[in-house]
Amino acid sequence: SQQGEEDPQALSIQEGENATMNCSYKTSINNLQWYRQNSGRGLVHLILIRSNEREKHSGRLRVTLDTSKKSSSLLITASRAADTASYFCATPRGYGGSQGNLIFGKGTKLSVKP
Amino acid sequence: GEEVAQTPKHLVRGEGQKAKLYCAPIKGHSYVFWYQQVLKNEFKFLISFQNENVFDETGMPKERFSAKCLPNSPCSLEIQATKLEDSAVYFCASSQFKGQGPITSQPQHFGDGTRLSIL
Repeated sequence: SQQGEEDPQALSIQEGENATMNCSYKTSINNLQWYRQNSGRGLVHLILIRSNEREKHSGRLRVTLDTSKKSSSLLITASRAADTASYFCATPRGYGGSQGNLIFGKGTKLSVKP
Repeated sequence: GEEVAQTPKHLVRGEGQKAKLYCAPIKGHSYVFWYQQVLKNEFKFLISFQNENVFDETGMPKERFSAKCLPNSPCSLEIQATKLEDSAVYFCASSQFKGQGPITSQPQHFGDGTRLSIL
């Protein structure tokens, strides 16, 4: 079963608004990553947050991690039409990520209207 | 190269035929991963390599799927006797080991995928 589950499945906002996406996971992790996928393209790595971090920023992106609730959120501030994409959270499989691959959620499809 | 290069972009095969997909990882990256993305957007892990050695193959349907990463050649994923359910986009990703922590503590760099259509 999927480790990460994003919420909502789809989100439609106006340009300039903020977009918040949430991810819940099931097992203990040492890091969580967020990726973006534009239509017809591969995943692009956005940000990685480690289990000892609570919040991380990168440009207009803000990621939080709550290991007690096994959840993470991705906030995109002042959204632009170019932010239209699907966003996925990913967690390591296996204890300590020992299994070597990431498990992806089903993604949140973000649509930013000009 | 600076990007993961996957070829071909599209591949159409009749049911029962063989399909072979290629991936050139980013130069200097020692890990390669193959994922399958089906219509519901779910990514299914297939196999990973550390250089030319299989690192984790727990996701591979071994009866018909095989993969290789040979020195000085693109990595490949081959599907024998394809089935309709193999229709999907297959992504390759590469990652650089930075000397500490598990490989899953590093970002993965994805190619744009190969869309495989089985008719």
